[in-house]
Amino acid sequence: AQSVAQPEDQVNVAEGNPLTVKCTYSVSGNPYLFWYVQYPNRGLQFLLKYITGDNLVKGSYGFEAEFNKSQTSFHLKKPSALVSDSALYFCAVRDPYNTGFQKLVFGTGTRLLVSP
Amino acid sequence: NAGVTQTPKFQVLKTGQSMTLQCAQDMNHNSMYWYRQDPGMGLRLIYYSASEGTTDKGEVPNGYNVSRLNKREFSLRLESAAPSQTSVYFCASSGTSLANEQFFGPGTRLTVL
Repeated sequence: AQSVAQPEDQVNVAEGNPLTVKCTYSVSGNPYLFWYVQYPNRGLQFLLKYITGDNLVKGSYGFEAEFNKSQTSFHLKKPSALVSDSALYFCAVRDPYNTGFQKLVFGTGTRLLVSP
Repeated sequence: NAGVTQTPKFQVLKTGQSMTLQCAQDMNHNSMYWYRQDPGMGLRLIYYSASEGTTDKGEVPNGYNVSRLNKREFSLRLESAAPSQTSVYFCASSGTSLANEQFFGPGTRLTVL
């Protein structure tokens, strides 16, 4: 069964500095990977996804993520953090080759705090 | 387009009471989902509907029932609420392809006393 881990409960970064939010996954085949962001008292919003092709994917609000098959990772990055990026970030994985319903499995979330 | 809408936004129930959470989407999506979000546990799938007329259990279906009323609407019912069902509930929808991202509603914050 697929699983995803976000090893950091919280990431602190100063505004203007680069940020990384880590995600590792476990699936039997090639994964479909997603990043979502949740602002306070809101639903999840889709940021970006990796399905196939170029390992570096770009998404909304200047975010990008790199798929690394050998390290089974899909870390979220941004070159220059903004205070408004402060939110809860979720990584999610789907195993498209799994028999039965290929559900989307979410990590436990990483809180990003960007200080002015 | 409103996207995915949910009602109510907040609800307080007493143990044993019943209620229905409503969800509707206007994106013509075939698939719809109900999740619950609890601190430190991420999102867990309660029920899903791959298409109109079908529903299936997710990870944590006990204590819940669902109805896919039509292509737009997918409701979640708590027949006899328990304090363990205190949570934030999210409805989501997506296209049929596994590569499609899911679109989420704003959530319902439910407290069971």
